[in-house]
Order: sequence, then structure tokens, then C-alpha cells
Amino acid sequence: GAVVSQHPSRVICKSGTSVKIECRSLDFQATTMFWYRQFPKKSLMLMATSNEGSKATYEQGVEKDKFLINHASLTLSTLTVTSAHPEDSSFYICSARGGDGNNEQFFGPGTRLTVL
Amino acid sequence: KQEVTQIPAALSVPEGENLVLNCSFTDSAIYNLQWFRQDPGKGLTSLLLIQSSQREQTSGRLNASLDKSSGRSTLYIAASQPGDSATYLCAVMGGGFKTIFGAGTRLFVKA
Repeated sequence: GAVVSQHPSRVICKSGTSVKIECRSLDFQATTMFWYRQFPKKSLMLMATSNEGSKATYEQGVEKDKFLINHASLTLSTLTVTSAHPEDSSFYICSARGGDGNNEQFFGPGTRLTVL
Repeated sequence: KQEVTQIPAALSVPEGENLVLNCSFTDSAIYNLQWFRQDPGKGLTSLLLIQSSQREQTSGRLNASLDKSSGRSTLYIAASQPGDSATYLCAVMGGGFKTIFGAGTRLFVKA
């Protein structure tokens, strides 16, 4: 099956700094990528939809200026958490939708962010 | 707005038992429904994907059904094993190809 990678897998940063997370589709071109956030023992919450070459669409309640999403190519989307605070600590997962007409989404392994 | 509900929230069964996990969704205009497994602190493992035109999918001891008109899906696990212990997530892809997740069922299979 198709593979989606995320980097880094784990990051610890100080409060006030910015952190960039990369999501790559390794063996297919992803027309659309999605970013999710998961709090401990909770389900995944969709944050935003990222389309190559256009602005991301954010879900209600998600601050677009805090969570910057860039989808520069058909294989790469990035999520930057700006001016991170401890409450931004979470598990962030990306997914990529292939263009094969199957509409299956392939999920990355996730990035655990801890803000001190 | 699509809402996905999973019942039960948690389940503890003895090894060898057959079990059923339930998922319901409010908007039947979906592209597909997918079942995932998530181990503590880990990412998602895709188990079964059912397209909206399909009624069921099978993989090994797992069988998932889909009744789109009633907004329901079930995941059947046969002959459960301790290694099946995990959280099982139901996810529905709808408008805009957005995938909405249920809250999950935490399964514990006792040896």
C-alpha cells in the first residue's frame, strides 16, 4: 500500500518557539492532505485540509495563524505550530488522499509534540 | 455536519470470544468507511476499507459491514486474542473528502 511519512516523530520544544512538521507521500502524488490532532485518550480531530498550490481550509475553531499549513508540492505538506504553548502539546497525524479514484486515505505515523 | 458514534466505548472480553463493535454516522452521503486500530502512543493501522457501494469487507478474522442507508457499520472480530487489545476507530469520508473519526472503542482481551 501507499506510504506516508512524517518527520519528526517526536519533538520537544520550549514555549514560544515554532515547530515545523513534515508530511510526505513517498510513492504517490497526493492531491489532498489532511492534518489531525489527537489529545490523550481522545479521537482524532480534523484540523485542516491542504490542497497543493492553494490555501489550506481550516476547521471551525482552529487558528489558522497559529497552525500554518503549506502544501508546496504533490508529495509534501508542512504544519508549523507558531509560538507554541504547553496546551499545543499533542499527537499530530497527517493523511494523504491519492488520486487513484479509490479515495482511500493513507495516514502517517504521527508526530508527538511536547511544549515545555 | 457529520457525526460518528462508536459503541461501546470500552469492552473487556475473555480470549476466544467473538465480538462486535458498532459505528453509526449521521450523514449517509459518504465515499467510504474505514476501520483502524490504534495501539497506545502509536499511529493508526488500517484494518478494512469499505467503499460506499460495498456491503462488507473481510480480512482474516475481521469482517466489517456497511449499511449506508441506516448509517451503520459493524466490525466483527472472531476468536479474539490478547494481541487484539487496542483502540478501534471508525472513520467516515464524506463531503470534501474529509474523514471524520468516532471516539473509538477500547478493547481488552483477557488471556
